[in-house]
Amino acid sequence: AQRVTQPEKLLSVFKGAPVELKCNYSYSGSPELFWYVQYSRQRLQLLLRHISRESIKGFTADLNKGETSFHLKKPFAQEEDSAMYYCAPAGFQKLVFGTGTRLLVSP
Amino acid sequence: DSGVTQTPKHLITATGQRVTLRCSPRSGDLSVYWYQQSLDQGLQFLIQYYNGEERAKGNILERFSAQQFPDLHSELNLSSLELGDSALYFCASSALGDSNQPQHFGDGTRLSIL
Repeated sequence: AQRVTQPEKLLSVFKGAPVELKCNYSYSGSPELFWYVQYSRQRLQLLLRHISRESIKGFTADLNKGETSFHLKKPFAQEEDSAMYYCAPAGFQKLVFGTGTRLLVSP
Repeated sequence: DSGVTQTPKHLITATGQRVTLRCSPRSGDLSVYWYQQSLDQGLQFLIQYYNGEERAKGNILERFSAQQFPDLHSELNLSSLELGDSALYFCASSALGDSNQPQHFGDGTRLSIL
């Protein structure tokens, strides 16, 4: 069965600290992988996708096929990064969203 | 602004009632997705339409139904409402029906059942 796991419900860091939000997936084949961000119960916004290999708002995500992980990283967290982050592998016919990790960046 | 429009923004109704949520996709997008976001269940995929046809089905209850019209807007119908149906309902759209396409989300409809 297709499954995605975000093990941390809450990640709390201080401004300027490095951040890593974990995502592990269990899929057959090589799914496309996305990270979405949701600020204060607003709409979800696409943060980045694996295939484009770009960095958005300082975030990058590395695909590790051996570990089937797609962790989201940022070297220096900012207060405006506080939000819910969802990892979403593209499964057969649909995206499957993880349960999300709330990132809280304190001053 | 994602270009996806959802109406209404808020809806308050009572148990047993029926409501219709509306979604207009981004210009040019053929696929529409519906999601339910609640505090205890997280973000759940309900259903997808592509160019007027149902493409994929998720955890959608039998009391819920959806359709996509020739102008590509979509409606989600929720009937015999229960307290547990209170949630944020998001619509998303993508250019094609392939799940590998990025999805663009609307602002959601907040449904409150009293």
